[in-house]
Formats: sequence, structure tokens, C-alpha cells
Amino acid sequence: IQLTQSPSSLSASVGDRVTITCRASQGIRSYLAWYQQKPGKAPKLLIYRASTLQTGVPSRFSGSGSGTDFTLTISSLQPEDLATYYCQQLDNYPSTFGQGTKLEIK
Amino acid sequence: EVQLVESGGGFVQPGGSLRLSCAASGFLFKNFEMNWVRQAPGKGLEWVSYIVSSSGSTIYYADSVKGRFTISRDNAENSLYLQMNSLRAEDTALYYCARTISNYYFDFWGRGTLVTVSS
Repeated sequence: IQLTQSPSSLSASVGDRVTITCRASQGIRSYLAWYQQKPGKAPKLLIYRASTLQTGVPSRFSGSGSGTDFTLTISSLQPEDLATYYCQQLDNYPSTFGQGTKLEIK
Repeated sequence: EVQLVESGGGFVQPGGSLRLSCAASGFLFKNFEMNWVRQAPGKGLEWVSYIVSSSGSTIYYADSVKGRFTISRDNAENSLYLQMNSLRAEDTALYYCARTISNYYFDFWGRGTLVTVSS
């Protein structure tokens, strides 16, 4: 199963609403997770089952979608959100990741 | 506190072998599925291998490593392993182990161990 994220990179200002999309090559029900990876760090789980916020993750992050089309939204961008974001499908193995979306702060 | 600490990375020539280890603590290791994920320098995340909890009887590999890598676990030692043979330049990456909640997510990751394959 291929996952295609868009855009590959984006630049936004503090306070902006940011949306990243992830499209699966076939239906994956709701078995999609989103991760944030800051430079030099391991990935951090943000959202699982497409829309469930991991404990401790700020509520400005949200996820939606099912089947083949998913979105990650940051409602009000903060400076600490500078990172690369990845989606991952866990509907079946081999698990796959999207190619990543690099988010820069203007 | 959940901790995963990878080790065993290093510099190896093409065709060589390495064995990676992941030491787990802070949770009941035998009850959790585990995965290896790698990241080539400046690139994205690539899933490598999966092993089921307890018996370790169900295993999956990415096509890129199938037949060359072997995942295993020792629940008594709270450790996960990745035996890597016939290494290629394209295996150069930071290798992470990750605790897995079945079908849902990888919730804890180690810091990774770097494997460099070069002549």
C-alpha cells in the first residue's frame, strides 16, 4: 500500500491553520497514524486510528478521514511545530509511511 | 518509564554483517509487538520488520530486506534483535526499534543506531 502525502513541504506563519493530506493507494479503513519528527529526534506519535489524539499531544492537532483520504490539521501553528510530519498505515503488513511533509515557519 | 535503547550499529563493508540490539525497559516486553524502522540520511522513514508479541511466531519483512535480515526477540532478556547479512550501501541508515500497539501505532521509539555500509 502506497501512501502519498501532500504537500512535500510548506511554509506557514505562526497562528496559521495548516493541513497536510495523506492518500492511500487502497482502502485502509481507519488504520492510519501521524507522527512528528523534529530534527535529530525520533518520531513522535501524534494521532492514531486516523483521528484519536495521543495522550499529551496539544489539542491544536487533529486528524480526520477513513478509507483512502486522510488529513492532519494544525489549527493554530506554533513555532515548536517546526518538523517533518509522516503518515503511516497499519491496516496490514508491510506497514508503510508517507514520504513526509516538511513544515517550515515563516 | 518506557525506554528503548538500540545498539550494535557501525561501519561495515558491502557484503558484511551486523547484529542490532534493542534493550527494552519500563514495560512488560513480552506482551508487546515490536518493529524496526530505518531512516537513510536526509530521507524519510522506511518500515523494515515486525515481530509479534510473546512467541515471536509471526514475522514480516520489507521486500528490500527479505532474505537478508532476520528479526528475533528474547523475552527473558527484554531484547529485540535484527541480524543483518549481505549488507548493501542502500542499507545505510539510522535504525530505530519501536514498540507497537497492534494495527494502531508505534508509541515508543528508541533514539536509533547508525549503520553505515561503505567500501
